[in-house]
Amino acid sequence: AIQLTQSPSSLSASVGDRVTITCRASQGVSSGLAWYQQKPGKPPNLLIYDASNLKSGVPSRFSGSGSGTDFTLTISSLQPEDFATYYCQQFNSFPLTFGQGTRLEIK
Amino acid sequence: QVQLVESGGGVVQPGRSLRLSCAASGFRFSSYGMHWVRQAPGKGLEWVAVISYDGNNKYYADSVKGRFTISRDNSKNTLYVQMNSLRAEDTAKYYCVKDVRTEAADLDYWGQGTLVTVSS
Repeated sequence: AIQLTQSPSSLSASVGDRVTITCRASQGVSSGLAWYQQKPGKPPNLLIYDASNLKSGVPSRFSGSGSGTDFTLTISSLQPEDFATYYCQQFNSFPLTFGQGTRLEIK
Repeated sequence: QVQLVESGGGVVQPGRSLRLSCAASGFRFSSYGMHWVRQAPGKGLEWVAVISYDGNNKYYADSVKGRFTISRDNSKNTLYVQMNSLRAEDTAKYYCVKDVRTEAADLDYWGQGTLVTVSS
């Protein structure tokens, strides 16, 4: 199975900061990667599909990039509602796998 | 709007069985792959299984292969997972999830989840 390793596992930041989360795959997944945001007690919400495409309705401060084995999710200017846990997920091959998550906390 | 409503969760003893259902509405159910994804309390996301839009292709996580069976009834807009030989490590919230494509890709809509607790 393809392993996805996110870094950092947790992060403290302030409103207005620029934040980058990385996701590294144990083997290439082409552009078959998505990013999700999950808030406590809620299901995940798709932010970025196919590595770099912003889902309709998601604020433009979110962006994704990368292909192959190295991917990034960037939040250009953190807003209070962005404090949550973020997951990457690959769908290039079965079994589908998720990263372990990055918890973004308020500093 | 897209709605996915899971049901069938509860407390079950190890070794027993449970069937979860997911009622879908707000989209053409028969055109999309559907997944089950679970999340143990306080833990991350774990993909469980996917079924293609027509039910012909099914794939499973190694942790549930041979014990869980995913199925769908396109005439009823309903997704199922039959869970047999349940173990304590199957305790989790189970989410029904819609794919953006016909089989497996990005997961664009999630239900609220149903909690399964395996305990004696």
